[in-house]
Amino acid sequence: QKEVEQNSGPLSVPEGAIASLNCTYSDRGSQSFFWYRQYSGKSPELIMFIYSNGDKEDGRFTAQLNKASQYVSLLIRDSQPSDSATYLCAVGLYNFNKFYFGSGTKLNVKP
Amino acid sequence: DGGITQSPKYLFRKEGQNVTLSCEQNLNHDAMYWYRQDPGQGLRLIYYSQIVNDFQKGDIAEGYSVSREKKESFPLTVTSAQKNPTAFYLCASTQGGSTGELFFGEGSRLTVL
Repeated sequence: QKEVEQNSGPLSVPEGAIASLNCTYSDRGSQSFFWYRQYSGKSPELIMFIYSNGDKEDGRFTAQLNKASQYVSLLIRDSQPSDSATYLCAVGLYNFNKFYFGSGTKLNVKP
Repeated sequence: DGGITQSPKYLFRKEGQNVTLSCEQNLNHDAMYWYRQDPGQGLRLIYYSQIVNDFQKGDIAEGYSVSREKKESFPLTVTSAQKNPTAFYLCASTQGGSTGELFFGEGSRLTVL
């Protein structure tokens, strides 16, 4: 069983729509949760992080965490073509001070 | 400017050769990590280090070696024992343990001919 699971996509949404990206994790010792955006051939860049259950909003992005269901999501409102990228979900394990990444969801925003 | 520098960006290697990828950070971070990424895949942890002169194997350490002689440097050697080394290699660092943001270098793309 993989530590972090994501739907590989591609997820296609029209410009201006809401994109919803989902992630599940297996280790209940996970304490920190991150969403990274990665453009083709580039390194990942942090979009959002969340530590507590509930929602966290930053501009057009909202991260949602449900530790009971071991589920993390990222909502992108008013999607733009520049949001087209692969989104990686990452989980931090406190006991081992390391991070696990999902395989990523490719998002296509169509003009 | 603070950041992580990886070199070289592109590297070609013949089978049977060892190669070393450089990773230097000036962020004063304690923890450093090496990840491997294959096309269409996520990042897989090779090695990580929390302090100088100490490092731990990740999930795919076979065929790789590292050293951490200085806080700012964490080089990765891809040995000839690594059967399928062609990949994109990413070095990262963080100050906050597993709760902190990972900062990434620009990556090194290794191709075995």
